[in-house]
Amino acid sequence: EAGVAQSPRYKIIEKRQSVAFWCNPISGHATLYWYQQILGQGPKLLIQFQNNGVVDDSQLPKDRFSAERLKGVDSTLKIQPAKLEDSAVYLCASSEADQETQYFGPGTRLLVL
Amino acid sequence: AQSVAQPEDQVNVAEGNPLTVKCTYSVSGNPYLFWYVQYPNRGLQFLLKYITGDNLVKGSYGFEAEFNKSQTSFHLKKPSALVSDSALYFCAVRILEGYQKVTFGTGTKLQVIP
Repeated sequence: EAGVAQSPRYKIIEKRQSVAFWCNPISGHATLYWYQQILGQGPKLLIQFQNNGVVDDSQLPKDRFSAERLKGVDSTLKIQPAKLEDSAVYLCASSEADQETQYFGPGTRLLVL
Repeated sequence: AQSVAQPEDQVNVAEGNPLTVKCTYSVSGNPYLFWYVQYPNRGLQFLLKYITGDNLVKGSYGFEAEFNKSQTSFHLKKPSALVSDSALYFCAVRILEGYQKVTFGTGTKLQVIP
């Protein structure tokens, strides 16, 4: 069984630029999560999708972050414009059902200069 | 509100010795508890979870965790540590009933010394 795929693995941008991350969950998993993991901290949920609907985006900085999962499969997370404090690892995870065991991708390491 | 605390930033243990990584939690209801492990430059991997039932939960790679309701703890244990167990360990919690996002702890770095 293929795991959660993410790309790119690394990204370096300058502040005020935009960036997009892509995630393809495990086949058949209805729930998809995006987390932000800042160095030295645990993952923080940014947004959770159930199929193509948003379940929770309460911690998503909506003035600069956006995410979509149009066909209920893969998802894109965008930051526009980026700030220095957005430097982090962005993790995508999926689960068969809401809040069951989550399977994580390798993450995208973002550095904003 | 729910929270989880991992009081130790780092745990050092000699190879072959038993290891414990501590976790305490706070939820306003019955807890649903998880342990995940993160190896360098990789995403988190599921180790084990507690929902209900037996307080001792067995998971992957020989790890187990003991749920203690009175102490609101869910410590991760392994009888004999391996060098390959060296990684970052995260405890996570959510309330069992209804919707609530999973809350992760800040992580504990386990260093197994040969």
